[in-house]
Amino acid sequence: AAGVIQSPRHLIKEKRETATLKCYPIPRHDTVYWYQQGPGQDPQFLISFYEKMQSDKGSIPDRFSAQQFSDYHSELNMSSLELGDSALYFCASSLGGWSSYEQYFGPGTRLTVT
Amino acid sequence: GNSVTQMEGPVTLSEEAFLTINCTYTATGYPSLFWYVQYPGEGLQLLLKATKADDKGSNKGFEATYRKETTSFHLEKGSVQVSDSAVYFCALFSGSARQLTFGSGTQLTVLP
Repeated sequence: AAGVIQSPRHLIKEKRETATLKCYPIPRHDTVYWYQQGPGQDPQFLISFYEKMQSDKGSIPDRFSAQQFSDYHSELNMSSLELGDSALYFCASSLGGWSSYEQYFGPGTRLTVT
Repeated sequence: GNSVTQMEGPVTLSEEAFLTINCTYTATGYPSLFWYVQYPGEGLQLLLKATKADDKGSNKGFEATYRKETTSFHLEKGSVQVSDSAVYFCALFSGSARQLTFGSGTQLTVLP
């Protein structure tokens, strides 16, 4: 069965650079969530989209933005990167918006800021 | 707000030992509860879920029962294997918050 695809899997950037992470949800899933997991930490919710509209925001810095496109894939744009942005970034998808609680996670993108 | 409190780790067991990882939660309304597993270097995999009180989720020998009266969702397995070594996260999804809230994770190591 098709799973959530994230690219790239690994990314190394320098401070003050920008990064774009991509997420391709499971086919026909209309809801995308982004989470950030710091080293040894639990995943923290960043932002979500339902039917291409931003729905909820969590602890997402103002330097980050995201959107969901017409084909339901999503991109997380990160600017002015800081050392503390080094983390594993997960995308998850679900079907049916807020009536669907079951989220399927991608393998994550490991971002390292040097 | 919503929160999940997990038993602190790490937990080290011998193969075939009994496993319990405690999880309690605080939430408004009636959340759905989950256990996710994360193997080294990999993403989060849904292990089991329960959507209402007294539901029992089970998968791969793991079980957890949604206890509303004690706001708990403890993970159990009767006989662990080396391949169960991973980090286990308890999580809840509340319709009001519309996001997963995770516990801090419990590192399990099973020795042969």
